[in-house]
Amino acid sequence: DVKVTQSSRYLVKRTGEKVFLECVQDMDHENMFWYRQDPGLGLRLIYFSYDVKMKEKGDIPEGYSVSREKKERFSLILESASTNQTSMYLCASRGTGRSYEQYFGPGTRLTVT
Amino acid sequence: GENVEQHPSTLSVQEGDSAVIKCTYSDSASNYFPWYKQELGKRPQLIIDIRSNVGEKKDQRIAVTLNKTAKHFSLHITETQPEDSAVYFCAAIKDWSGNQFYFGTGTSLTVIP
Repeated sequence: DVKVTQSSRYLVKRTGEKVFLECVQDMDHENMFWYRQDPGLGLRLIYFSYDVKMKEKGDIPEGYSVSREKKERFSLILESASTNQTSMYLCASRGTGRSYEQYFGPGTRLTVT
Repeated sequence: GENVEQHPSTLSVQEGDSAVIKCTYSDSASNYFPWYKQELGKRPQLIIDIRSNVGEKKDQRIAVTLNKTAKHFSLHITETQPEDSAVYFCAAIKDWSGNQFYFGTGTSLTVIP
C-alpha cells in the first residue's frame, strides 16, 4: 500500500518567512509532484521531479523552488512567503511504467498572514 | 499548454439517480484521462481512467467515455449513493512521460438521501 506523508497538516507563517514543506513516499517511486489546490481552480502543478536532483517546472512555479536530495523525499520551498501563497498544498508520487496513477499525500493547509 | 474544462462545478442528485460530469480538453496529443475522487478532508484518489485507444471503460457503477474527435470525456455514476458525495476531478496528460497532468477545476457532487 503506497504511503505518501507530508510534514504538517496545518501551517501558519508570516509574510516574508522562508517556508519548507516536506513530502516522503515509501514506495520507491521515481516521480514526485507538488500541487496547490484552490477553490474553483482545481489542482495546479507547481513542480515535479523524475529523479534525484532532477526537477521540472509545472504550470505555476513562480515564487517556489524544490529540492530532491533523496529518492523518497521531495521538498517545496517558499523563499519569501506571501499572502497569495495561502493555499492547500498536495504532494504526490508515481512509479514508472504503464500506470500513470498518482498517489497523493494528505495535504498541508498553509496560511500566510 | 493543455486546457481542461470541467462542468458542472456543482451537481446534486437524488440517491439512486445517475450523475454525469463532463470534461473537454484542447490538445489532441493528450492520450490518458484519469478521474480522481476527493472526499471531504481527504486526499484525491484515482477511481477510473481511460486511454485514447479506448472509447469506453466501466467499473461497477462508474464508467468513463471518451470522444477523441470532439475532445471530450465524461464520468458516469449510476445508482448513486450518499458515499459518492465528493469532489471529482478529471485530468488529461499531454506529456508522454506521464508527468504533466492538467486537472479540471472539479465538480462537487452531492447525493441526497
